[in-house]
Amino acid sequence: GQNIDQPTEMTATEGAIVQINCTYQTSGFNGLFWYQQHAGEAPTFLSYNVLDGLEEKGRFSSFLSRSKGYSYLLLKELQMKDSASYLCAVESGYALNFGKGTSLLVTP
Amino acid sequence: DSGVTQTPKHLITATGQRVTLRCSPRSGDLSVYWYQQSLDQGLQFLIHYYNGEERAKGNILERFSAQQFPDLHSELNLSSLELGDSALYFCASSAYTRVDTGELFFGEGSRLTVL
Repeated sequence: GQNIDQPTEMTATEGAIVQINCTYQTSGFNGLFWYQQHAGEAPTFLSYNVLDGLEEKGRFSSFLSRSKGYSYLLLKELQMKDSASYLCAVESGYALNFGKGTSLLVTP
Repeated sequence: DSGVTQTPKHLITATGQRVTLRCSPRSGDLSVYWYQQSLDQGLQFLIHYYNGEERAKGNILERFSAQQFPDLHSELNLSSLELGDSALYFCASSAYTRVDTGELFFGEGSRLTVL
């Protein structure tokens, strides 16, 4: 089976840094993904980790520790448009399973 | 525009009925994934097809079935509909049998309302 956990909601201030955590338990691991989803829209790809360590992409970074079953998404210099749901997903075999998502609210 | 096309965008039907949702993947993509998204359950993986063959099955109900045709488009059939089946159904496509580098592209979804 598979279990993916992330906080339900987070609030942060414009210009700040926020870290969204994800823990997972899976029988088989091919990679971990982060997606962004605005309300009523399709998810869009943010990052991918398959090896331990940090992947940086502009204002977004993602970290993976396979031994701990742990990942985080780091968002820097928060903007109002970053208010969205952030989905952690784990690929196991030929299935890509998502967590329930973390709803991030960025306030002025 | 992700290049993944889903129809219909909205569908309203009654309990007990049957509906078919259609997905055309991005040009050249061989994999199609189906997901159900409801408010309390998040994005639930239903099924994955690669080049016409089923690759993985998630929490898909027996009342639901899917297939991928030779032209690579896919259909998700939902039968004996219940109120709880009301949700946003997403189709996503990727080039390979695994998502690998993260290139999974989502369509805009089909919103199903069961009354």
